[in-house]
Amino acid sequence: AQSVSQHNHHVILSEAASLELGCNYSYGGTVNLFWYVQYPGQHLQLLLKYFSGDPLVKGIKGFEAEFIKSKFSFNLRKPSVQWSDTAEYFCAVWRGSARQLTFGSGTQLTVLP
Amino acid sequence: EAGVAQSPRYKIIEKRQSVAFWCNPISGHATLYWYQQILGQGPKLLIQFQNNGVVDDSQLPKDRFSAERLKGVDSTLKIQPAKLEDSAVYLCASSLDWASNSEAFFGQGTRLTVV
Repeated sequence: AQSVSQHNHHVILSEAASLELGCNYSYGGTVNLFWYVQYPGQHLQLLLKYFSGDPLVKGIKGFEAEFIKSKFSFNLRKPSVQWSDTAEYFCAVWRGSARQLTFGSGTQLTVLP
Repeated sequence: EAGVAQSPRYKIIEKRQSVAFWCNPISGHATLYWYQQILGQGPKLLIQFQNNGVVDDSQLPKDRFSAERLKGVDSTLKIQPAKLEDSAVYLCASSLDWASNSEAFFGQGTRLTVV
């Protein structure tokens, strides 16, 4: 079974629609959580990260994510998407026990103008 | 600050040929990662270095893949001989330290096509 699961392979939205991308992981113990974004033709960039503290974290470009420990989830949200948000989004989990960063399979977001 | 540099950007080879990729991490970053990203999938960790030592190579197909990080800075990843299923983007990333919570910074990747 995949250790980091992203449920939506491809999401298509119109501009101004709200976005929520799911991410679940199956590790116990200490984890740090990340969302990376890959715009067309560009390298992976960090969108936001959670290490500890407030489970609601804010990232760049209006994105936020909420860590729900009981659900092993770290869902990405944005209230109103723009055409420029078209990209592939990857959830990643850093496991303290293995010192390893593992990625989900990614979600391709297409925002229609 | 300069980012993670990778070369070449693209490579096309025939199966059974060999190929090498180069990575220069961000200055001062002790940890270096090589990931393989097959089309439609997320990056899969191949090997992880801390300075010039290997800390995880459990998913590296060691019969054909090898990697080194001389002097704890630059790294090369080699495939010999290549197979069709090796067609993928090979990503190099670096972070300050594997034992800390530092984020990984990625290079542009090398897109390998094996024909």
